[in-house]
Amino acid sequence: GENVEQHPSTLSVQEGDSAVIKCTYSDSASNYFPWYKQELGKRPQLIIDIRSNVGEKKDQRIAVTLNKTAKHFSLHITETQPEDSAVYFCAARNNAGNMLTFGGGTRLMVKP
Amino acid sequence: EPEVTQTPSHQVTQMGQEVILRCVPISNHLYFYWYRQILGQKVEFLVSFYNNEISEKSEIFDDQFSVERPDGSNFTLKIRSTKLEDSAMYFCASSEGNLSNQPQHFGDGTRLSIL
Repeated sequence: GENVEQHPSTLSVQEGDSAVIKCTYSDSASNYFPWYKQELGKRPQLIIDIRSNVGEKKDQRIAVTLNKTAKHFSLHITETQPEDSAVYFCAARNNAGNMLTFGGGTRLMVKP
Repeated sequence: EPEVTQTPSHQVTQMGQEVILRCVPISNHLYFYWYRQILGQKVEFLVSFYNNEISEKSEIFDDQFSVERPDGSNFTLKIRSTKLEDSAMYFCASSEGNLSNQPQHFGDGTRLSIL
């Protein structure tokens, strides 16, 4: 089955700096890659996703890149703000099923 | 914006007891899911449900687990005889469909504590 690895597990940045979180996946049939943000005690919220037919997607300060050959995808947050502090999860899914396979999460701390 | 709602937010149960976790998916969604997250670990898929039957399940979803859509709005997860290792946060999710442009939306979760 699919295995998703996520790095780093914790990331501390100064406000205004960029943050990059990386994920690798094992199943070449995976074709959908969402990113979720989870604040303490709250639900995972979808912040951006990418499909395997594109290499990059951007939404304001958030961007995601996908390298299908290398089987890795990354989340980029620019101009970080304290409210970006949360745990971020990457996930992967293939066409054969509905299940999302999650990475281990990254705790992002943005210091003011 | 419509949300997935889950009740209760926290459930404390004695080991060996049955527990039912409840979810109300977003109203026009057709696919429903349960995931769990043991403290400090990954979010893990349990089961997906479509058209009143299980469409996919993981190894975790053994005979102790069952799901049901008892009426037009609720979606429940039952654990028949709880074990200590069932202690986790349980998330319900729903999606309009299973295409890649129909993402899964999560509820706030139920924290299940088995004593």
